Amino acid sequence: DAGITQSPRHKVTETGTPVTLRCHQTENHRYMYWYRQDPGHGLRLIHYSYGVKDTDKGEVSDGYSVSRSKTEDFLLTLESATSSQTSVYFCATQGAIGTDTQYFGPGTRLTVL
Amino acid sequence: RKEVEQDPGPFNVPEGATVAFNCTYSNSASQSFFWYRQDCRKEPKLLMSVYSSGNEDGRFTAQLNRASQYISLLIRDSKLSDSATYLCVVFTGGFKTIFGAGTRLFVKA
Repeated sequence: DAGITQSPRHKVTETGTPVTLRCHQTENHRYMYWYRQDPGHGLRLIHYSYGVKDTDKGEVSDGYSVSRSKTEDFLLTLESATSSQTSVYFCATQGAIGTDTQYFGPGTRLTVL
Repeated sequence: RKEVEQDPGPFNVPEGATVAFNCTYSNSASQSFFWYRQDCRKEPKLLMSVYSSGNEDGRFTAQLNRASQYISLLIRDSKLSDSATYLCVVFTGGFKTIFGAGTRLFVKA
């Protein structure tokens, strides 16, 4: 299994507070992704990174920002959490686009009250 | 219309049964196809890639029909440990990988 960790694993927060989720990988993979997973939906891409300091938006990026200052770390920030952002968040890494599989971290369960 | 559609199930089958899942995709230019498995409250993990010629991995067989734009997964001799959600995954190019919502499988003793 790829060495991907996420922290925290569980978090409960209140509406309006900022929240940062961390993804750490030891695989030296160039590509990293943040997804959210909600019942009835597939995994939906929030943001992705194609290198240090190189990031771009996915399909559900509103209300989220990311940063990647090192190859191994990819941070997801909810600028002002809302109840609609209650979800399970997965980080994924990939060595090569298209041919290589995406490896997922264990996920973070976030509840916004 | 969703870009990748799967029957959500659940499929309830006895041990030893054969079960098949189908998945359809809308983008005819899609490049790569995969089946992932996701256990309850866990992360998705790659089960197998899907090739046009069809491919088999033990009890699992995957097929791709590009003309009809569907992918299938066949599980033979089902085990209790096969109980999980199976995600159909399509890479359409660039950084776009589309995950289906998944099909739940319960294998009963």
